Amino acid sequence: AQSVTQLGSHVSVSEGALVLLRCNYSSSVPPYLFWYVQYPNQGLQLLLKYTTGATLVKGINGFEAEFKKSETSFHLTKPSAHMSDAAEYFCAVTRYNQGGKLIFGQGTELSVKP
Amino acid sequence: EPEVTQTPSHQVTQMGQEVILRCVPISNHLYFYWYRQILGQKVEFLVSFYNNEISEKSEIFDDQFSVERPDGSNFTLKIRSTKLEDSAMYFCASSASGGAADTQYFGPGTRLTVL
Repeated sequence: AQSVTQLGSHVSVSEGALVLLRCNYSSSVPPYLFWYVQYPNQGLQLLLKYTTGATLVKGINGFEAEFKKSETSFHLTKPSAHMSDAAEYFCAVTRYNQGGKLIFGQGTELSVKP
Repeated sequence: EPEVTQTPSHQVTQMGQEVILRCVPISNHLYFYWYRQILGQKVEFLVSFYNNEISEKSEIFDDQFSVERPDGSNFTLKIRSTKLEDSAMYFCASSASGGAADTQYFGPGTRLTVL
């Protein structure tokens, strides 16, 4: 069975600091990996995804993530945090034959201090 | 930009009552999904739907749940006899092709409170 673990339910950074949100997955077959962001009172919005090919994936709003098979990780980073990045972030996994069924981590709430 | 919409944003009901949660997926999308998130827990897959049939469902999606596409635009989730443990945020999503790599677009959710 597939699963996702996000380390840290709350992460706080200062504006301009590096953002690092951790995601580890478990999958017996090559995974497809996603990061979604949820702003207050809004739906989940796709930040980026890894399916095949280049392991460093760039997404919207300056975020990127690197698929590391050896570490079963897909950590999300952004070099410089902005106040508008404050939100909840979800990592999710699926696989090619799972018909779009996403398995989510528990989410990480990112706070950005001025 | 097209978006998935859900109504109502908040639904309060008494235990044992039936509720219908409504979603309008993106117009040219063919695959539809329901997820739920109980407060403090993970977002969980409930069901996927394509061509007027359920494609896959989780063990959570038992006989008290049903889905329907009653017309060309709406996608509904019905809970026949609500229980306290059904209290959660329910998210609808849609995708164009339904493939595992395809992006799912989520609505803002309906918060269901069962008293």
